[in-house]
Amino acid sequence: GAGVSQTPSNKVTEKGKYVELRCDPISGHTALYWYRQSLGQGPEFLIYFQGTGAADDSGLPNDRFFAVRPEGSVSTLKIQRTERGDSAVYLCASSYFVNTEAFFGQGTRLTVV
Amino acid sequence: DQQVKQNSPSLSVQEGRISILNCDYTNSMFDYFLWYKKYPAEGPTFLISISSIKDKNEDGRFTVFLNKSAKHLSLHIVPSQPGDSAVYFCAARGNNAGNMLTFGGGTRLMVKP
Repeated sequence: GAGVSQTPSNKVTEKGKYVELRCDPISGHTALYWYRQSLGQGPEFLIYFQGTGAADDSGLPNDRFFAVRPEGSVSTLKIQRTERGDSAVYLCASSYFVNTEAFFGQGTRLTVV
Repeated sequence: DQQVKQNSPSLSVQEGRISILNCDYTNSMFDYFLWYKKYPAEGPTFLISISSIKDKNEDGRFTVFLNKSAKHLSLHIVPSQPGDSAVYFCAARGNNAGNMLTFGGGTRLMVKP
């Protein structure tokens, strides 16, 4: 489809494991954002990319979280040594330019057991 | 601290009547406000927005009102339809935030036929 695609839709992992979450933005969109939505809360900003570079990573909670976008398109959010508190829906969004409308993917539901 | 708050976690309205969803913010640097609608297992979908230079923006059945002095905005849906049943998020952006959005906790709207 033409929308933002996130894979996997669901991921269950054991505490302490490493996970990667993938986001395919809308073709041609230069800006890409990651948000995290915990149960009963609104999405919280994690990081955004303008092209290949992370323009603002101030929302990453700690150094276990890292994201890349090596070719300015697909992005991967990486979480090391997962903890139960990392369980949430991870949302990706993209926009044509910064400050234009952002379109969200359906999210990846991460459950750490 | 929550910079964007939606104090009503849920709202129930009869079909055909008006739905009013409220949102308060604390950061005076916010200059652009958005409403998103979210269905289960889907990402948030942009609904309507308003710049801080305006006090009202209308799009079909949806109208957003902004009261800057009170740091309050509201979304009016009239007439409400059963298909409007979803979680509605208020979001805000600062003028140098690179499209980073700060979301409220959401209000679940239920429109009864």
